[in-house]
Amino acid sequence: GQQVMQIPQYQHVQEGEDFTTYCNSSTTLSNIQWYKQRPGGHPVFLIQLVKSGEVKKQKRLTFQFGEAKKNSSLHITATQTTDVGTYFCAGPRSGGGADGLTFGKGTHLIIQP
Amino acid sequence: DGGITQSPKYLFRKEGQNVTLSCEQNLNHDAMYWYRQDPGQGLRLIYYSQIVNDFQKGDIAEGYSVSREKKESFPLTVTSAQKNPTAFYLCASSKGQAHRSGYTFGSGTRLTVV
Repeated sequence: GQQVMQIPQYQHVQEGEDFTTYCNSSTTLSNIQWYKQRPGGHPVFLIQLVKSGEVKKQKRLTFQFGEAKKNSSLHITATQTTDVGTYFCAGPRSGGGADGLTFGKGTHLIIQP
Repeated sequence: DGGITQSPKYLFRKEGQNVTLSCEQNLNHDAMYWYRQDPGQGLRLIYYSQIVNDFQKGDIAEGYSVSREKKESFPLTVTSAQKNPTAFYLCASSKGQAHRSGYTFGSGTRLTVV
């Protein structure tokens, strides 16, 4: 079935440094979504990318969808302590998308002040 | 405000017991999902339901059961057949198919076997 792989598993950064997490799929995705989970909390939807090569920005966060629609990245510029958490990518479990999402294992962002 | 309510927040289960986790939403979403989260494992799909009175197995359905008698409710029963039930359980919903609109998650239930 559909697999979504995410790297790195953990990332330690100094506050103010940049951060990037990468997501790769074994198959072409119709779209990819990103979620953030704060420590002790639940995942919260951040964004969805649909088009090949799409780039979207949310303040200091930049999301990219690869040209082949098999990979994606999330980049955070100048991290702040509020960015701490686990970032997950997710894609449709099946081509049609009616079977829910499959998630990557997430990247834990740890920020040292 | 609309949202998803999961209860209880913490649940302790003895070996051999069945327990039921509640999930209620007032978002008028058609689709609902149950995921299990273990450290280092990400989120894995247990069951999902696209419409009332219909549900499908996800990737790790063994030892679990669900019902969808009302649009607002999607309870999950963890049976004694589930060998390693200690985990964080997350319920989610989506307006249509998840790949079109994304999930809204509840705050989760932490289940511990004692």
